[in-house]
Amino acid sequence: DVKVTQSSRYLVKRTGEKVFLECVQDMDHENMFWYRQDPGLGLRLIYFSYDVKMKEKGDIPEGYSVSREKKERFSLILESASTNQTSMYLCASSRQGPQHFGDGTRLSIL
Amino acid sequence: GENVEQHPSTLSVQEGDSAVIKCTYSDSASNYFPWYKQELGKRPQLIIDIRSNVGEKKDQRIAVTLNKTAKHFSLHITETQPEDSAVYFCAASIGNQAGTALIFGKGTTLSVSS
Repeated sequence: DVKVTQSSRYLVKRTGEKVFLECVQDMDHENMFWYRQDPGLGLRLIYFSYDVKMKEKGDIPEGYSVSREKKERFSLILESASTNQTSMYLCASSRQGPQHFGDGTRLSIL
Repeated sequence: GENVEQHPSTLSVQEGDSAVIKCTYSDSASNYFPWYKQELGKRPQLIIDIRSNVGEKKDQRIAVTLNKTAKHFSLHITETQPEDSAVYFCAASIGNQAGTALIFGKGTTLSVSS
């Protein structure tokens, strides 16, 4: 069974901090994705990666960056956290089939 | 950019009734269309998916239909049960590969009352 693990379930940070959200998958999937989920807005794609050291912008990349140094790990970075980045963040991975999601990180920026 | 519209945003049915959720997409290159169910406080889980070379797919009480010409697809749940209550998301692939990035609809909150 595919396992996508996000490092924190809940996280509280302050405005201006640099925040790292980590995601690890154990199925050797090439593709990894970061979404944010807000009530009434569904899942919005932030960044994705089809290979190590490769990244592509999604719909809402502003204020975020990513890192993929190893195939199994995809990190989302908030360069200078702001209150409008308070949200649920979901990581997913896939190969040729459907995406498998982690449990999410509920991030609060105070 | 690519867009997926999903309707209705909320849907209330009686146990045993059918439920239908509809989505339209804008990218003609999309050829993979999954549906996810998300229960409160849990991760989205795939319930069914369809590829563009197929017009309909069924899995027990769940079915999905696809009309590529009209660029819309629908989820049909028959004989609904209280445990079907959840938020349902449709999605369409960006491009024509099943593993690629997805654009999601905004979700439908389904409530099944007994």
